[in-house]
Amino acid sequence: EAQVTQNPRYLITVTGKKLTVTCSQNMNHEYMSWYRQDPGLGLRQIYYSMNVEVTDKGDVPEGYKVSRKEKRNFPLILESPSPNQTSLYFCASSLGQGANTGELFFGEGSRLTVL
Amino acid sequence: AQSVSQHNHHVILSEAASLELGCNYSYGGTVNLFWYVQYPGQHLQLLLKYFSGDPLVKGIKGFEAEFIKSKFSFNLRKPSVQWSDTAEYFCALKTSYDKVIFGPGTSLSVIP
Repeated sequence: EAQVTQNPRYLITVTGKKLTVTCSQNMNHEYMSWYRQDPGLGLRQIYYSMNVEVTDKGDVPEGYKVSRKEKRNFPLILESPSPNQTSLYFCASSLGQGANTGELFFGEGSRLTVL
Repeated sequence: AQSVSQHNHHVILSEAASLELGCNYSYGGTVNLFWYVQYPGQHLQLLLKYFSGDPLVKGIKGFEAEFIKSKFSFNLRKPSVQWSDTAEYFCALKTSYDKVIFGPGTSLSVIP
């Protein structure tokens, strides 16, 4: 079954304790992206990756890191989480670049609370 | 700057009422357009998409959308909503340089 898998789904942590949210897709998609969803603000892009070893900042990259060492995985790293990073996070993937692309497949979401 | 706006933050309808959710975008190049739905507690799923051709596109669950290029709009419609359509709806566009931009979302509540 084609899917995007995120872990953990729920996490409560404390300020400053490094954490990683994993994301894996089994569709051989080139494009992967992380979003955060906050009430009234919709989805905001954190980082995205066009392919292996190619990553770029989205609209709200501060406080986050990513890596793309393999095509299927795109982990999101919070080196020193702060309470303003409490949010619902979604990983998404897409076929790639060019015309007639852009349909995103989303993971189930990871709800992060930073105390 | 590129952007997507959605006309309504929250819409409340009775079952069997007709639905139209507005979406406008700001971008001068070629776009691919999407509507996604997020049911309570779930992730986003694609409702329908427009790439090219017929500006009236049909999606899942009886939804359709019309692309009007001159108005930079991509409004979502459904003739008769059901309680199960209660969800958050997001309009999105992909620019010619592959950036995907989401609107802020419209929350739809359908009253039985």
